[in-house]
Amino acid sequence: AQSVAQPEDQVNVAEGNPLTVKCTYSVSGNPYLFWYVQYPNRGLQFLLKYITGDNLVKGSYGFEAEFNKSQTSFHLKKPSALVSDSALYFCAVRDRDSSYKLIFGSGTRLLVRP
Amino acid sequence: EAQVTQNPRYLITVTGKKLTVTCSQNMNHEYMSWYRQDPGLGLRQIYYSMNVEVTDKGDVPEGYKVSRKEKRNFPLILESPSPNQTSLYFCASSPLGGGKTQYFGPGTRLLVL
Repeated sequence: AQSVAQPEDQVNVAEGNPLTVKCTYSVSGNPYLFWYVQYPNRGLQFLLKYITGDNLVKGSYGFEAEFNKSQTSFHLKKPSALVSDSALYFCAVRDRDSSYKLIFGSGTRLLVRP
Repeated sequence: EAQVTQNPRYLITVTGKKLTVTCSQNMNHEYMSWYRQDPGLGLRQIYYSMNVEVTDKGDVPEGYKVSRKEKRNFPLILESPSPNQTSLYFCASSPLGGGKTQYFGPGTRLLVL
């Protein structure tokens, strides 16, 4: 069955330090990969996606993600965290060969302390 | 402004009282979808539509209905809501085509008593 795993319910990091939010997936073939962010009482905002090409994808607000095919991972990173980055982050995948359904991970809450 | 809108944003209702959550997009997207978000489960797809008059079930369709009479609108109907449908609901839309980004509405928080 297709699935997405975000192994950490919460990630804590100090402002100014680098952050990583982990995501691994189990989908056949070469899926499309996405990261979304959810701020309190807001909808999901698109951060970045991997379609093809360069394994390092750059997105909004200074975030980037690295696609690793052999490890089936798509970890979200940022070199220097801001307090305003504190939010709920979702990794999602979409099978290229089937419907447009996004399969979401359970979400990781990022807490950046001042 | 390109956006997906949902109404209402918050709703408290009682078991069995029919309700409709509206979703509208102004981006001329063919694809629209409904998801529900529950703690620890992420988002799960309820129904989706590839175009006008074309709808299909997602992973958790039980207790829900949808319609797509116009391209811009994709209402979610709960004919007889039950407490296990208490959740946060999101509508999303995207163009068709490989790798297109889905854009989400602000969410509707539903409480069924």
